[in-house]
Amino acid sequence: DQQVKQNSPSLSVQEGRISILNCDYTNSMFDYFLWYKKYPAEGPTFLISISSIKDKNEDGRFTVFLNKSAKHLSLHIVPSQPGDSAVYFCAARRTGNQFYFGTGTSLTVIP
Amino acid sequence: GAVVSQHPSWVICKSGTSVKIECRSLDFQATTMFWYRQFPKQSLMLMATSNEGSKATYEQGVEKDKFLINHASLTLSTLTVTSAHPEDSSFYICSASGDYSYNEQFFGPGTRLTVL
Repeated sequence: DQQVKQNSPSLSVQEGRISILNCDYTNSMFDYFLWYKKYPAEGPTFLISISSIKDKNEDGRFTVFLNKSAKHLSLHIVPSQPGDSAVYFCAARRTGNQFYFGTGTSLTVIP
Repeated sequence: GAVVSQHPSWVICKSGTSVKIECRSLDFQATTMFWYRQFPKQSLMLMATSNEGSKATYEQGVEKDKFLINHASLTLSTLTVTSAHPEDSSFYICSASGDYSYNEQFFGPGTRLTVL
């Protein structure tokens, strides 16, 4: 049972525009959410996170929004750059330090 | 900070042999380590969670006798794929969380296993 879902397997965005990656979850016990970026044949790298008590966290070009009532979070990248092209995974942590990952969204930023 | 290494980065073995993959946290104490498997064009699949000094907790459908996990110290966890078969060929990634930050996991670079 996929507790964390990313329904868009891929996304293409023009350079300079905004990229919006979406993630839905089902378990209300998740207390922390994270976004990871992954290049082929490499391990994921941490990008940005948000606690369940917040609804927004911003770090440079990256902003994560959390809507707890909808069990939805999104990652905004603005402006998008070609180097942002990668697979993005959202993850959710349940108490007990268990992490669940979404299926990933492949972002392509077109120069 | 928060560097996790994996060794080897790529291994090719014959069917029936066992392969050990090491995961090390280089600059922090990893109280919890995770092992993932990734198939081409698919998500990360959590295989097991291990806390230092205790038995690993395996996810449903993961054979604990086939994928042996040891987390003997706060900086080292090993995954041994026993009697490997071609269907075990995959990209195995470990991650760790601990005293650097309990909120995030830090991932190793992954190990590509090819079983002939």
